[in-house]
Amino acid sequence: QVQLVQSGAEVKKPGASVKVSCKASGYTFTDHYMHWVRQAPGQGLEWMGWINPNTGGTTSAQKFQGRVTMTRDTSISTAYMDLSRLRSDDTAIYYCARKDHLDVWGQGTTVIVSS
Amino acid sequence: EIVLTQSPDFQSVTPKEKVTITCRASQAIGASLHWYQQKPDQSPKLLIKYASQSFSGVPSRFSGSGSGTDFTLTINSLEVEDAATYYCHQTSGLPFTFGPGTKVDIK
Repeated sequence: QVQLVQSGAEVKKPGASVKVSCKASGYTFTDHYMHWVRQAPGQGLEWMGWINPNTGGTTSAQKFQGRVTMTRDTSISTAYMDLSRLRSDDTAIYYCARKDHLDVWGQGTTVIVSS
Repeated sequence: EIVLTQSPDFQSVTPKEKVTITCRASQAIGASLHWYQQKPDQSPKLLIKYASQSFSGVPSRFSGSGSGTDFTLTINSLEVEDAATYYCHQTSGLPFTFGPGTKVDIK
């Protein structure tokens, strides 16, 4: 079955970077865009951007431009989201999800930014 | 940026009651509107794609309608397990955006 499995929780200090991975299985990884969405504690969902796993091309929301880097390794069907210069308000659950209509989601990765 | 507004913010409903949640876009988005259900401590799950297309495995009591700027998610005959927060999401224009969510509680 189609599945997205994300890396484990992270605790980071302000100013540091975090890299979250998302391993896909059950389908051809390069066939569908991968999106990243985050959810701050008790808040709603926020779209961050996407990567085209076939070409490596990316698009991100303007608020994250310059801080977010999305990459992929097609040999292991894994997408990555790297967020730099972390602030306390980056504390959130980060999700990967497949296709524009987000038909399959990862289990989420909790990132806590605290000094 | 396309802003999505949802109403109501919160709804307390008895089982078997019909629930209607609306999502309004700040500009026309055709049918590029999707609905998700999120229960506490779980990832969101897709219910309806492209305004009215049912997603595989989703109970038939969930349906969607609308186009342009006004959209509706309907839950016919609410079940206890439907207690959750529901989000709409547009993929017509960048950046993609979500509505603020509607929390549905069981009386």
